[in-house]
Amino acid sequence: QKEVEQDPGPLSVPEGAIVSLNCTYSNSAFQYFMWYRQYSRKGPELLMYTYSSGNKEDGRFTAQVDKSSKYISLFIRDSQPSDSATYLCAMIPGADSNYQLIWGAGTKLIIKP
Amino acid sequence: SAVISQKPSRDICQRGTSLTIQCQVDSQVTMMFWYRQQPGQSLTLIATANQGSEATYESGFVIDKFPISRPNLTFSTLTVSNMSPEDSSIYLCSFRPGQGSTGELFFGEGSRLTVL
Repeated sequence: QKEVEQDPGPLSVPEGAIVSLNCTYSNSAFQYFMWYRQYSRKGPELLMYTYSSGNKEDGRFTAQVDKSSKYISLFIRDSQPSDSATYLCAMIPGADSNYQLIWGAGTKLIIKP
Repeated sequence: SAVISQKPSRDICQRGTSLTIQCQVDSQVTMMFWYRQQPGQSLTLIATANQGSEATYESGFVIDKFPISRPNLTFSTLTVSNMSPEDSSIYLCSFRPGQGSTGELFFGEGSRLTVL
C-alpha cells in the first residue's frame, strides 16, 4: 500500500463548478500537508499549505485536513479553464527541513469552458 | 521569489548514451533535489545535492547511473548514464528556499527525456 493515495483522474468538470480533489494517507505522523499545482510542461508550484487538522482558505481555494480520517481535500470554487492542471498532494511528518515530501500521484483536472 | 532554470527542456536520446541536465538558481541555496516524474506516478526523489559534499541517493538510485555535481550554491547537474528506454521520464530539479519554509519546494520546468 502506498503511503499517499490519490486518484489520477482525469477529472473533467464544467466551468463554474465546485471541484473537490482528495488524498488519503496511512502515516498518522504526517503533520504538514501541501497541495501543488502543475501545469503542462511546467514544474509543480506550491498552492496551499496547512498544518495539522482544519481548513485554510485562499481566494477560490480551500484546503481541508481531517487527521482522524487521514484524508485531505482541496476545493476549488467557481472553477476556471485556467485551473486545468495536475494537482499533487504532498505531506511530511514534522518541521525538520530534512524531511522529504511524500507525494501523491497527482490528479489531472480539466475545466471545460 | 527565486528563479530556477533547467535545461535541456526536452531531448531524444539513443540507448546507451548519457545526458547531462543542468539546473541554475538565481540565488544561493543549500539543498537542491533531483526528482523523476513518470506518467501516472508520484514524484520520486532521486538524490539530494549539497554543495561541497557527495550527493545522497535514495533507495533504488545509484551514483554510477545518476552522477550529480554541485560545484557551487547556485548550480547542479544530473547525468543519466547508459540510458535505456526505461529512463524515459521527466527529470526535475528543485530547492528549498531556507529556514521556515518547511515543505515548500521550488521546481524547475523539467527536462523531458525520451530514450529510443
